[in-house]
Amino acid sequence: EAGVVQSPRYKIIEKKQPVAFWCNPISGHNTLYWYRQNLGQGPELLIRYENEEAVDDSQLPKDRFSAERLKGVDSTLKIQPAELGDSAVYLCASTDRAKETQYFGPGTRLLVL
Amino acid sequence: AQKITQTQPGMFVQEKEAVTLDCTYDTSDQSYGLFWYKQPSSGEMIFLIYQGSYDEQNATEGRYSLNFQKARKSANLVISASQLGDSAMYFCAILNQFYFGTGTSLTVIP
Repeated sequence: EAGVVQSPRYKIIEKKQPVAFWCNPISGHNTLYWYRQNLGQGPELLIRYENEEAVDDSQLPKDRFSAERLKGVDSTLKIQPAELGDSAVYLCASTDRAKETQYFGPGTRLLVL
Repeated sequence: AQKITQTQPGMFVQEKEAVTLDCTYDTSDQSYGLFWYKQPSSGEMIFLIYQGSYDEQNATEGRYSLNFQKARKSANLVISASQLGDSAMYFCAILNQFYFGTGTSLTVIP
C-alpha cells in the first residue's frame, strides 16, 4: 500500500514569493492534516480536513496561508506571500476515520531567503 | 502550557543496549491515546507504538515497548537491543489533541 505522498520535497524561494505544497493521502483515508514543524520542535497542526471539509483551521494564519481539498482526496497548501519565518518542514498526514493513528508523508522542506 | 514534555534533548546508547526515552504529559481527558513516532534525518514521521489510556497492559511492538504509568502521566518508550538505524529523533504525542513533544535525539554508538 502506498504511503502519503508529498511534493516537492524541497523548495527554496525568496520572501514575498508564493509557494504551494501538494499532498496525496493514503487511499481511503478520510482525514487529512497539514502540520508545520520548525527546527528543533514537534509538528504543529495547521489544518485538518474531514473529506473535503476543513473542520479545524484555527491555527492556520489565514492572512497568507490557504488550503484546499476539493474532491476529498489530495490537498494543496499555499503560502502567499512567503515570509522568512515560514521556513520550516510542512508535513501532511492522513488517517482512517475509524482509527487514530496518523501516517505522515516525507514532508516538504521550505527555505525562504 | 506544555502538554507533552520530553526532558532529554539528546541521548546516546551503545549498540545492542536498551534505552529509555522519557515522556510526561498533561491532559484533562479521561480517554486518550499516546503515540511515539520516529523521525530520521529524511524527515518522515514513522509510527512506532500506541498506548490507550484504558489499556491495562503496556504496549509492545517488536523491540519497542511503552512503560505507561497513568497516575504519573508518564509514557516512556523503551527500545531494546539498539541498532545503528535507530539513530533519529523520537516524538511523543497525544494525537486527538494534536500535542507533540519537542523530541529526543537518539544516537546509537557502534
